[in-house]
Amino acid sequence: SQQGEEDPQALSIQEGENATMNCSYKTSINNLQWYRQNSGRGLVHLILIRSNEREKHSGRLRVTLDTSKKSSSLLITASRAADTASYFCATDRAGGTSYGKLTFGQGTILTVHP
Amino acid sequence: EAGVAQSPRYKIIEKRQSVAFWCNPISGHATLYWYQQILGQGPKLLIQFQNNGVVDDSQLPKDRFSAERLKGVDSTLKIQPAKLEDSAVYLCASSLVAQRGASYNEQFFGPGTRLTVL
Repeated sequence: SQQGEEDPQALSIQEGENATMNCSYKTSINNLQWYRQNSGRGLVHLILIRSNEREKHSGRLRVTLDTSKKSSSLLITASRAADTASYFCATDRAGGTSYGKLTFGQGTILTVHP
Repeated sequence: EAGVAQSPRYKIIEKRQSVAFWCNPISGHATLYWYQQILGQGPKLLIQFQNNGVVDDSQLPKDRFSAERLKGVDSTLKIQPAKLEDSAVYLCASSLVAQRGASYNEQFFGPGTRLTVL
């Protein structure tokens, strides 16, 4: 079953605006990762935030993690048309017998209009 | 550095036929994953290998799906016989040795194989 649930399911903005996507999950995690998927292609890793971190930056990306609320957000600043893609959060669950296993959410489809 | 390679990129078969997908991970990556991604959904893990051993295959439909990773490098995923609901993109990913709680469990994905079952 899907652990992460992204919100919104779809987001449409103009170039230059900021885009915020949210992710909620159900169980304790080791880390949470965000991936991007362009149409018809594989996923590309964007950023990883560990369970003991609250905020992380990478270029125009800002990720926050609130483990008490079991939620994360991805902010893309000054968006570009090339940011148009589907964005997925994925959680690496704490405990269990397997490790490095990721559970993906349903994704947010981001469309950035030129 | 070469990425994860997959073949074929596209495959169309009829139900009850067999199909096989191939994956070559990034050199030196001990962990290999196969995912199924149905249109409009996120990827779902089918099986995870660490070197040539299976770490997790809890979501693999073992009555029709099988996978192997001989010599701990390349891997093949087979479906026999295929059903209509197997239509999806099959993604292969690899990572360095996956360890519990490790902060570097980033996965690198191949382009995927789009399977259509008619």
